[in-house]
Amino acid sequence: EAGVAQSPRYKIIEKRQSVAFWCNPISGHATLYWYQQILGQGPKLLIQFQNNGVVDDSQLPKDRFSAERLKGVDSTLKIQPAKLEDSAVYLCASTLWTSAGEQFFGPGTRLTVL
Amino acid sequence: QRVTQPEKLLSVFKGAPVELKCNYSYSGSPELFWYVQYSRQRLQLLLRHISRESIKGFTADLNKGETSFHLKKPFAQEEDSAMYYCALSSNAGKSTFGDGTTLTVKP
Repeated sequence: EAGVAQSPRYKIIEKRQSVAFWCNPISGHATLYWYQQILGQGPKLLIQFQNNGVVDDSQLPKDRFSAERLKGVDSTLKIQPAKLEDSAVYLCASTLWTSAGEQFFGPGTRLTVL
Repeated sequence: QRVTQPEKLLSVFKGAPVELKCNYSYSGSPELFWYVQYSRQRLQLLLRHISRESIKGFTADLNKGETSFHLKKPFAQEEDSAMYYCALSSNAGKSTFGDGTTLTVKP
């Protein structure tokens, strides 16, 4: 089966600019996650979708971050405006149903904010 | 809920035993996982406690009394060099990862 796809792979922007990331999960996977991984730290969950509904977004900085999963398939994560501390790798993952199952990760998008 | 991996770096010689520590805090019954990231590869599942299987010679036992889920291998190989993350999923489905341990197996 095809893996989780993410684009772009790399992005460099200046602070206060906007940026969007795209994720296409494995076909048929109901649950989709966005993680932020800052250098030297583990992945931190930003938002979790079950189909097109939000299950958990308690750690999403909602004043600047937004995410959607229209039609319950692919998803976009947006940052507007970006800050220096948003520099990180943004990982997308999916599971067949619940998070008790294996999470399949995409390659990540490395964001650098200057 | 919280996952702690006390060692950022761990270095062993080939053939030596290795143990990567993971401690968690969670009031319910957690699902626990070990994920691994080899150089220039994606993060991938190594093993999970509910399956109680050995993958690539690694095992991990859930100790609810000590709230630990340490990863062990009796004889480390050079190809085991990678970043290892312990992860917990709550009853509500929320995932929490530790900050990872970089394992280096020296020849």
